[in-house]
Amino acid sequence: AQKVTQAQTEISVVEKEDVTLDCVYETRDTTYYLFWYKQPPSGELVFLIRRNSFDEQNEISGRYSWNFQKSTSSFNFTITASQVVDSAVYFCALSGVSGGSYIPTFGRGTSLIVHP
Amino acid sequence: DTAVSQTPKYLVTQMGNDKSIKCEQNLGHDTMYWYKQDSKKFLKIMFSYNNKELIINETVPNRFSPKSPDKAHLNLHINSLELGDSAVYFCASSRTGYNSPLHFGNGTRLTVT
Repeated sequence: AQKVTQAQTEISVVEKEDVTLDCVYETRDTTYYLFWYKQPPSGELVFLIRRNSFDEQNEISGRYSWNFQKSTSSFNFTITASQVVDSAVYFCALSGVSGGSYIPTFGRGTSLIVHP
Repeated sequence: DTAVSQTPKYLVTQMGNDKSIKCEQNLGHDTMYWYKQDSKKFLKIMFSYNNKELIINETVPNRFSPKSPDKAHLNLHINSLELGDSAVYFCASSRTGYNSPLHFGNGTRLTVT
């Protein structure tokens, strides 16, 4: 069975602070994909990034960076110099082939509040 | 052009009524999904269709019935609505395969009074 844990329910920071959102996963698959999605207050769900289990290189996109560590089954997301527009609920998800289904398993989300 | 569109955006109705939510995608994807998001933001998969065939049907009351007339459409019909059905319902689509990200519609906020 697959499981995604986002232990941080809510994080509150002041603008310009760096913040890391944790994601820990469990899977029996050797090949799998991890994803991050963003849900801003307007409500839509937006795909941010995908990482496969064989690629442990960190990814940086502007102020966003992702740290994938297979040894600790973690795929953490860091926002550098946070801005009010980063306020959103962030979901980590895992997709593998366990049980013959490709349906991704979502974590419960971390609500990030960035204060001006 | 909106990639995944669902209508209506808001739906307010009384207990016992029947309602439908429509979803269409123009991405050429062959897998579509319905998710329910509760007040605590938890995303729960309800159904998944691949090329019009049902592949996932999680533990959902049989008052919920999905219908896929073609692979670009997946509608959700709900009979005898109950208070507990109040939630945001998201339609999504993807290419088949576990490496494909989901593309979500903007959600339908259903309120049952």
